[in-house]
Amino acid sequence: DTGVSQDPRHKITKRGQNVTFRCDPISEHNRLYWYRQTLGQGPEFLTYFQNEAQLEKSRLLSDRFSAERPKGSFSTLEIQRTEQGDSAMYLCASSAGPRRHLNTEAFFGQGTRLTVV
Amino acid sequence: AQSVAQPEDQVNVAEGNPLTVKCTYSVSGNPYLFWYVQYPNRGLQFLLKYITGDNLVKGSYGFEAEFNKSQTSFHLKKPSALVSDSALYFCAVRDMHYGGSQGNLIFGKGTKLSVKP
Repeated sequence: DTGVSQDPRHKITKRGQNVTFRCDPISEHNRLYWYRQTLGQGPEFLTYFQNEAQLEKSRLLSDRFSAERPKGSFSTLEIQRTEQGDSAMYLCASSAGPRRHLNTEAFFGQGTRLTVV
Repeated sequence: AQSVAQPEDQVNVAEGNPLTVKCTYSVSGNPYLFWYVQYPNRGLQFLLKYITGDNLVKGSYGFEAEFNKSQTSFHLKKPSALVSDSALYFCAVRDMHYGGSQGNLIFGKGTKLSVKP
């Protein structure tokens, strides 16, 4: 257990429905990342928060995706109007350190596996 | 563009034999390199990192990695493999494209390590 928790672990939804995932990072970590991992691939970056500020979004994050981190604590990732192509494992990671200090490792949660039917 | 390549989809090793999982990288500037391991239906666990200093980096569970700047490689090694080492291994490089403001990781596709008794 890395200390990063994600909920739910599994989600099956019908195409067109909205889903929301939650990530609770390690409490003292100010950086939070969301990644998406499909079968046979490495994780791909989606978005990044420094405290409560969302500083970067990948081109993978279409306008159907939105992420928040109110008060710089937990984060949510919402997917609206889900499509079958959204089926993947969604991973959250957190790390510590000032914005310019990038030598710290990220700790990953166990992920939320989304299946869109 | 920064990238990481893992040339082997799968590595098979007999228990007790040494193992090597290969990784090459392409970055501008000095790389920050990481290895993670993923067990089935689990998130990623941090193994080790290279930031600066000694080219041989020691990590968790007896793993080590050798940074080779001239060959742009960061191969993962272990002197004596265990059946419990069987898992998916990911090499990653820190994305420094935007001057270090993001810090997200760029992952390889992963290498499946299979250790037979």
